[in-house]
Amino acid sequence: NAGVTQTPKFQVLKTGQSMTLQCAQDMNHNSMYWYRQDPGMGLRLIYYSASEGTTDKGEVPNGYNVSRLNKREFSLRLESAAPSQTSVYFCASSRGTGVNTGELFFGEGSRLTVL
Amino acid sequence: AQSVTQLGSHVSVSEGALVLLRCNYSSSVPPYLFWYVQYPNQGLQLLLKYTSAATLVKGINDFEAEFKKSETSFHLTKPSAHMSDAAEYFCAVDLRGAGSYQLTFGKGTKLSVIP
Repeated sequence: NAGVTQTPKFQVLKTGQSMTLQCAQDMNHNSMYWYRQDPGMGLRLIYYSASEGTTDKGEVPNGYNVSRLNKREFSLRLESAAPSQTSVYFCASSRGTGVNTGELFFGEGSRLTVL
Repeated sequence: AQSVTQLGSHVSVSEGALVLLRCNYSSSVPPYLFWYVQYPNQGLQLLLKYTSAATLVKGINDFEAEFKKSETSFHLTKPSAHMSDAAEYFCAVDLRGAGSYQLTFGKGTKLSVIP
């Protein structure tokens, strides 16, 4: 049972470098999300995709872009990484309808360090 | 303005003792409420959810939570702590009404279980 798969699990970047975090789910879910987790801050929503073909900003979208490539895949891109983007990034998915909206299934996280 | 407040960033209990993790929310619409658990180096997993049915909600591993509208609370309890319960717990709320696709997470409470 793969569920939600994120790659890479670890990455070190220098300030100004770009990179893409990949996420894929095999549960036929409609909605996908990118969160970042920082100590003492909980999880904050960066971007989400309610359904294939749509994306919307969350609470902290600055410095990020996303692509919903198809129903399975949702990528997060950092165009010019900054030390403030050092964090653990989580991809999640949900059926995205009614009472099931808040039932998120999370990947194991991608730990990003920007030097 | 903070929409979800978890009281206590760190809670310690003895094995076999009652677990009580507190969550208060602020919302102008009937909320959907969730508790998630995160074990070390893993993603979050859903423990239980409230979606306007029964106010006492039972989840996995004998956890339960009670929705109290008058107190705007959704505290998580477990009668007897087990060593395996040591983890970080997050309360989350769907503040824009059912099906809004956006959860707001609290900052988390780390639970330690003392043998």
